[in-house]
Amino acid sequence: GAGVSQSPSNKVTEKGKDVELRCDPISGHTALYWYRQRLGQGLEFLIYFQGNSAPDKSGLPSDRFSAERTGESVSTLTIQRTQQEDSAVYLCASSPSSTGELFFGEGSRLTVL
Amino acid sequence: GESVGLHLPTLSVQEGDNSIINCAYSNSASDYFIWYKQESGKGPQFIIDIRSNMDKRQGQRVTVLLNKTVKHLSLQIAATQPGDSAVYFCAEKTAGKLIFGQGTELSVKP
Repeated sequence: GAGVSQSPSNKVTEKGKDVELRCDPISGHTALYWYRQRLGQGLEFLIYFQGNSAPDKSGLPSDRFSAERTGESVSTLTIQRTQQEDSAVYLCASSPSSTGELFFGEGSRLTVL
Repeated sequence: GESVGLHLPTLSVQEGDNSIINCAYSNSASDYFIWYKQESGKGPQFIIDIRSNMDKRQGQRVTVLLNKTVKHLSLQIAATQPGDSAVYFCAEKTAGKLIFGQGTELSVKP
């Protein structure tokens, strides 16, 4: 596809379960970002991957959150032992460089019951 | 996570009027700034960007102004249309990562 693809688009889970969210960036984009957006609020930076450099994990809110990226390809964001406050839209974005425009996916809406 | 986003302020304008959306950024070392538009249920879309060596940049119906002295960014939309109704976010790039500022909800009255 031409854009950033995220899956699932919607996920409902029970408190305490683990979830995995997937992001397929635009082909050739070296930079990949994850953000969290709670209802009616702004975007919270979570993590940033740039090429083969060590990721910037400074935005991850707790050790329940982790993310991986295979080379310059797919990324997964994993939330372990989900809590109700994890309910949000998780947005992924990719960029052709560390200085360029970010292209966002449509997000994965997570609801923790 | 890092964010300046809290509950969003709103701006209501009449169709055809000009809109000005303001943003204060946090890091004087930031060297790149972007404005994004987010419609309900969608991911943010790029509007316009500006580098720190500039103080003004114009696009189609939009102008971004950068005042580094007071760390202030503004987005001007000329002849606002109903399709411009959305939440607008500014973002600053620092140490490679893009940090979003507080969004503003723009409502255009016909």
